[in-house]
Amino acid sequence: DAGVIQSPRHEVTEMGQEVTLRCKPISGHNSLFWYRQTMMRGLELLIYFNNNVPIDDSGMPEDRFSAKMPNASFSTLKIQPSEPRDSAVYFCASSSTGLYSYEQYFGPGTRLTVT
Amino acid sequence: GNSVTQMEGPVTLSEEAFLTINCTYTATGYPSLFWYVQYPGEGLQLLLKATKADDKGSNKGFEATYRKETTSFHLEKGSVQVSDSAVYFCVLIQGAQKLVFGQGTRLTINP
Repeated sequence: DAGVIQSPRHEVTEMGQEVTLRCKPISGHNSLFWYRQTMMRGLELLIYFNNNVPIDDSGMPEDRFSAKMPNASFSTLKIQPSEPRDSAVYFCASSSTGLYSYEQYFGPGTRLTVT
Repeated sequence: GNSVTQMEGPVTLSEEAFLTINCTYTATGYPSLFWYVQYPGEGLQLLLKATKADDKGSNKGFEATYRKETTSFHLEKGSVQVSDSAVYFCVLIQGAQKLVFGQGTRLTINP
């Protein structure tokens, strides 16, 4: 079975440019999560969706960040304009809600470097 | 609010040594507890889980027991291998599907 797919795996961009990260969750999963990992702050939940609807975006750092989930098999995280402090590894995870179904399956991550 | 505290790393051991990584949590009610592992350059993988008090999760020789009386979920392995070198995260979840992560413990196993 295919796991969570993220693209690109690595992204290097210049400050001020728009960056779009993509995620394909595991088929059949109805919840999707975006995380950011840095050495200083560890793992942070940015936003999560349930049945394509954003449920909690309180972790989104600021208006430069936006996330969409137009359908059950695709989500994007966009940063516009990007800044050097956005450099991090961004993970997407998915899960299937249901009784005791709390396991989240993580993608391999996108390493973003903003110069 | 809910929180997880792990022993600080990094932890360096020799192959075949006994491993313990301490984890304690703060939560109201009855959270589910997990250990996730992150190998170099990869995403997090679920290692084991326990959903109620006194449950023991186990996988790949690792074990952890959900101790409500001490609010702990310590990770143990009797004989570690070089391939166990990774970062280990203690995690809890309680409602609303939001995982609460510990800070992670980097483990290095030397041959």
